[in-house]
Amino acid sequence: GAGVSQSPSNKVTEKGKDVELRCDPISGHTALYWYRQSLGQGLEFLIYFQGNSAPDKSGLPSDRFSAERTGGSVSTLTIQRTQQEDSAVYLCASSRTGTGVEKLFFGSGTQLSVL
Amino acid sequence: AQSVTQPDIHITVSEGASLELRCNYSYGATPYLFWYVQSPGQGLQLLLKYFSGDTLVQGIKGFEAEFKRSQSSFNLRKPSVHWSDAAEYFCAVGPNTGGFKTIFGAGTRLFVKA
Repeated sequence: GAGVSQSPSNKVTEKGKDVELRCDPISGHTALYWYRQSLGQGLEFLIYFQGNSAPDKSGLPSDRFSAERTGGSVSTLTIQRTQQEDSAVYLCASSRTGTGVEKLFFGSGTQLSVL
Repeated sequence: AQSVTQPDIHITVSEGASLELRCNYSYGATPYLFWYVQSPGQGLQLLLKYFSGDTLVQGIKGFEAEFKRSQSSFNLRKPSVHWSDAAEYFCAVGPNTGGFKTIFGAGTRLFVKA
């Protein structure tokens, strides 16, 4: 596609429910990142996928968070048993090769609100 | 592990005045450095980047940044701010040896007054 696409754009859920957030990276981009943006917290790194390599999960805040990337393209971030502190904007980004030298292309994000 | 510090949570400048946003990084070698801007209601957009060579880099919208190894800094500057520059600015660091994740600072919110 022309850009990084994320869905849904907004998600309101009840505490304790599971949510899935989707990211479609730019076609041909091998690297995919998930970040979380909370008020005053900047962009918090969550997870990074690069080609067929094992993902770097070092930023996931708890075992309630997981992510998959199927076929080297679409990625899904899953949050189980959501808590109010999970409320944030979840941003997905992709880059062509993920070598660290290239700029990241960001999606518009998913605003998650946990009531 | 690399880290990025943006000491100023928010800054207010008058339109037409000069601007400097501070960024300090921690990394074992010379990193790749970036500045991104997030305008209201818009996604993050790359302003400029530094990899090597000339330590003063030019970006879009009249912005520039200077890499100072001795100070571990990569401050963003603009000689004359426009009202449309009001946004949030993020400094980021990417490693130049493996472990490719890009780490962002907490951001600096820029307010521009008339």
